[in-house]
Parts: sequence; structure tokens; C-alpha cells
Amino acid sequence: GAVVSQHPSRVICKSGTSVKIECRSLDFQATTMFWYRQFPKQSLMLMATSNEGSKATYEQGVEKDKFLINHASLTLSTLTVTSAHPEDSSFYICSARVPSGTGEGRAFFGQGTRLTVV
Amino acid sequence: GQQLNQSPQSMFIQEGEDVSMNCTSSSIFNTWLWYKQDPGEGPVLLIALYKAGELTSNGRLTAQFGITRKDSFLNISASIPSDVGIYFCAGSYNAGGTSYGKLTFGQGTILTVHP
Repeated sequence: GAVVSQHPSRVICKSGTSVKIECRSLDFQATTMFWYRQFPKQSLMLMATSNEGSKATYEQGVEKDKFLINHASLTLSTLTVTSAHPEDSSFYICSARVPSGTGEGRAFFGQGTRLTVV
Repeated sequence: GQQLNQSPQSMFIQEGEDVSMNCTSSSIFNTWLWYKQDPGEGPVLLIALYKAGELTSNGRLTAQFGITRKDSFLNISASIPSDVGIYFCAGSYNAGGTSYGKLTFGQGTILTVHP
């Protein structure tokens, strides 16, 4: 299947600093990518929809100034957690959906990033 | 908004047993996806369903898209220890535009297989 690569897989940062997470679609172009947050033993919670060349769409309750999303190309979206605090510690996962024109339309996920803020 | 109820929440089975889990939605979907997630990893796509009534297999896994478009099930036959993990259903109703690809996830089913 299609490959989505997420980097880094783990990051530890100090409180107050910013962290950038990258999500790349390796073998297809993704005009839209999605960012999720997952707490232990819970389901994935959609944070925002990343649209190439335009502003991201954030879900209700997600602070857009804290979770900055940039989708500068058809294969790369980044999530920056600004001024991180311990409560931001979580597992962040991106996904990209294969364009419907190919007849696929399946969503593939990155490996996830474990963020720990100390 | 749309809600997905996935059951059971957890299952403890013996190796070789069959497993069944399902998801129901409060509204219709036009795509159902089933994923497996191992600890510390992103979800991996198992089966994708696109048509009401569709029955699709992937090895020992079989999934069906319910006729009402509000439910789906996943069966695993002859379970093995490596089937351990969390299984998620996900559905989408793509009205086009920026909503394309937006998934709603079930709560997950934690599967434990005893050798």
C-alpha cells in the first residue's frame, strides 16, 4: 500500500520550547493530510485537516495558534507544537488519503510521534 | 457530529479461535475502513470497503459493509498470537471539498490472544 512517513518517531523537549513533526507521503501526492492525537488506550482524535496551499482546518477545541500546521507541498505537511507544556505530551499521528481519482481513496497513516514534554 | 460505536471494547481469546467485532454509526457512511494498531505505531490499514453489502477478505480477515451503510463488522479466523493489538473501525462520508478523507474512528477493540 501507499507509504506515509512521519518524523521523528520520538521526541523529548523542555517545557516552553517548540517541536516540529513532519509527515510525508512517499509515493503519492496528498492534497489533504490529517493530524490526530491519541492518548493511551484511547482512539484517535482528529485535530486538524491540512490542505496544500491553504490554511488548515481545525477541529473544535484545538488551538490553532498552539498547533501550527503547514502544508507547503503535495507530499509534506508539518505540525509544530508551540510553547509546549507537559499536558501536550501525547502520541501524534498523521494520515494522508490516496486521491479518489485513482479509485483507491484509502487513508494511510504515519508511524506516529511520541512527544514528551518535561 | 457522527459517532461510531465499536464493540466489544476488549477480547481475550485462545489461539485458534475466531474473532468478531463490529461498528455502528448514527449516520450513513460511504466508506468503511478497518485498521490494526500495534503499541507505539501508527494504524495499519487492513481492509477498505466502498459499497453497501460489500464483503471483502484479506487472508484470515473478512469485513463487510452493512446494507444500511451504518454498520460494518470484521472477522478474524483462526487467531494467532501476532493478531494481538488494537483494532479500529473508521468511516467517512465524503461530500467533497475539504471534508474529503476525513475519518471518524471507533473506540477500538483491544485483542489479546493466549497461546
